[in-house]
Amino acid sequence: DAKTTQPNSMESNEEEPVHLPCNHSTISGTDYIHWYRQLPSQGPEYVIHGLTSNVNNRMASLAIAEDRKSSTLILHRATLRDAAVYYCVRQGAQKLVFGQGTRLTINP
Amino acid sequence: DAGVIQSPRHEVTEMGQEVTLRCKPISGHNSLFWYRQTMMRGLELLIYFNNNVPIDDSGMPEDRFSAKMPNASFSTLKIQPSEPRDSAVYFCASSLQINEKLFFGSGTQLSVL
Repeated sequence: DAKTTQPNSMESNEEEPVHLPCNHSTISGTDYIHWYRQLPSQGPEYVIHGLTSNVNNRMASLAIAEDRKSSTLILHRATLRDAAVYYCVRQGAQKLVFGQGTRLTINP
Repeated sequence: DAGVIQSPRHEVTEMGQEVTLRCKPISGHNSLFWYRQTMMRGLELLIYFNNNVPIDDSGMPEDRFSAKMPNASFSTLKIQPSEPRDSAVYFCASSLQINEKLFFGSGTQLSVL
């Protein structure tokens, strides 16, 4: 199965770091791990992706386990605008297959 | 760039009618994807194109669904005849190349009565 496993929901406080976990135990060696997020009434938005090494960009950091069976998206300082559904997606066979994602709630 | 443009934003139709959804990918992007989103099934990949050629349509639910990409700047997803269970948000996305990050449009909210 190409889908990943994520908690249905998580909650955090504004200005605190958020760690969103994802399991992809059957990932193949050439599959990239992508993260997207979807705000209400919008299409999904790219956040970050990686293959083996940890990755950083202006939005977030991606920590990939050494065995690549799991990864964690890190929002260093959450804001209310980060409230969204976050999808961890395997890129296999040239296509992205989305799971159910994690609904992240940020408390003021 | 204006991003991926989808039309219409909302479509309400009656069962049995033909529905055509439209998508204009980002200029220069070679890959185009159609997704459908419902509460029950989440985001499902329906079909994707590379250089205007359909590569994988295994996600298309039935023969009532068809998609075309006559040129690099336009794609359509057609449902004929439409049924109430087709009600969903349909997203189009494009990417520079086949394995790169996707840029999604704002979606078309389809309601079939």
